[in-house]
Amino acid sequence: AQSVSQHNHHVILSEAASLELGCNYSYGGTVNLFWYVQYPGQHLQLLLKYFSGDPLVKGIKGFEAEFIKSKFSFNLRKPSVQWSDTAEYFCAVKKASGGSYIPTFGRGTSLIVHP
Amino acid sequence: DAGITQSPRYKITETGRQVTLMCHQTWSHSYMFWYRQDLGHGLRLIYYSAAADITDKGEVPDGYVVSRSKTENFPLTLESATRSQTSVYFCASSGGPTDPFSDSEAFFGQGTRLTVV
Repeated sequence: AQSVSQHNHHVILSEAASLELGCNYSYGGTVNLFWYVQYPGQHLQLLLKYFSGDPLVKGIKGFEAEFIKSKFSFNLRKPSVQWSDTAEYFCAVKKASGGSYIPTFGRGTSLIVHP
Repeated sequence: DAGITQSPRYKITETGRQVTLMCHQTWSHSYMFWYRQDLGHGLRLIYYSAAADITDKGEVPDGYVVSRSKTENFPLTLESATRSQTSVYFCASSGGPTDPFSDSEAFFGQGTRLTVV
């Protein structure tokens, strides 16, 4: 079974700082990759996703992620964070073939941005 | 309205009582999921369903029962609630191999905050 590791459990930044959240997965086959955001008290919403093509994926609110197949990684980045980016961030992976459509989530990273 | 809805949003129940959390989606997605979210554990899969009348266990199924008689509904029942089942429960749905958009992300409901006292 695939697994997802998010290395940073808690991140605290000041506004305008750059952000990079790490995500590594264990499955060796073709995968679909996702980053979700959960604002305080809300449900999970999709930030961006990678299925195929350009490994640099741009999402909403200025976020982007880079898929590096050789490193089994899908790190999330934002050049300049805002106070409103305070949230929980989840990386998820799903097998792209083989009949499994179950996304596996990492444990999440709590981001706090100070104004 | 299109989407995925959960009810109730908040529930307080006593230990030993049976509780059912409802989930309804309007996309006709094949796959539906129940996750629980707990501090330090992230999202853990309880049960999932690949289609009507097809369900399977996830990572933490003990103490829970699911059914899926219709594609759009996927209720989760706690047969005899325990304090360890105090959590936030999220239902989600996504496309499967027979859906028009099989390569899709999972869409989440607003969650149900369950407290067992």
